[in-house]
Amino acid sequence: KNEVEQSPQNLTAQEGEFITINCSYSVGISALHWLQQHPGGGIVSLFMLSSGKKKHGRLIATINIQEKHSSLHITASHPRDSAVYICAVSLRGTSYGKLTFGQGTILTVHP
Amino acid sequence: ETGVTQTPRHLVMGMTNKKSLKCEQHLGHNAMYWYKQSAKKPLELMFVYSLEERVENNSVPSRFSPECPNSSHLFLHLHTLQPEDSALYLCASSQRGTAQNTGELFFGEGSRLTVL
Repeated sequence: KNEVEQSPQNLTAQEGEFITINCSYSVGISALHWLQQHPGGGIVSLFMLSSGKKKHGRLIATINIQEKHSSLHITASHPRDSAVYICAVSLRGTSYGKLTFGQGTILTVHP
Repeated sequence: ETGVTQTPRHLVMGMTNKKSLKCEQHLGHNAMYWYKQSAKKPLELMFVYSLEERVENNSVPSRFSPECPNSSHLFLHLHTLQPEDSALYLCASSQRGTAQNTGELFFGEGSRLTVL
């Protein structure tokens, strides 16, 4: 069993829909990251959070430390949101921010 | 543009070749990373350099040899690779914060390697 599990693995939506991607982890962490990877391969960091909630534009990330769970929400989804969304955690106790990654969620938004 | 540049973007090499991947960051960060992304598998950490010193080697075979000559540059030297080493190799950088934390990661576009 992976230390970081994402669901769903694949998600298809219609433009305008509200989208939720979930991430659960089983280890102690100092921070959780949400990353976006487009087909070309490059990865962009969307959020880094250790508690509560962060919002950037149409994206919202929440984390519940007690339940070891995080969600990424996309409001008013758009075809340009189509990408792979990756959850990763910085393991607690490592000085150099070693990240452990989930397997990713492939999101396709149709017009 | 994330401030992390990788070259080449694509590389095809034979099993007996020697090649290198290059990463350069323009962000003034003090930590740099090599990650490997194979098909259908999560990203895997390979190496971490902090202040030009290797601080993490995640059980990577010796046919992969990293080099960090200064805080802005990171190389991955490749020799006698196997076809199963074909993957996307991603470089990242961050500003190391307190002892148990790291700053946000900034990734390059990746170098897609094919080993024939």
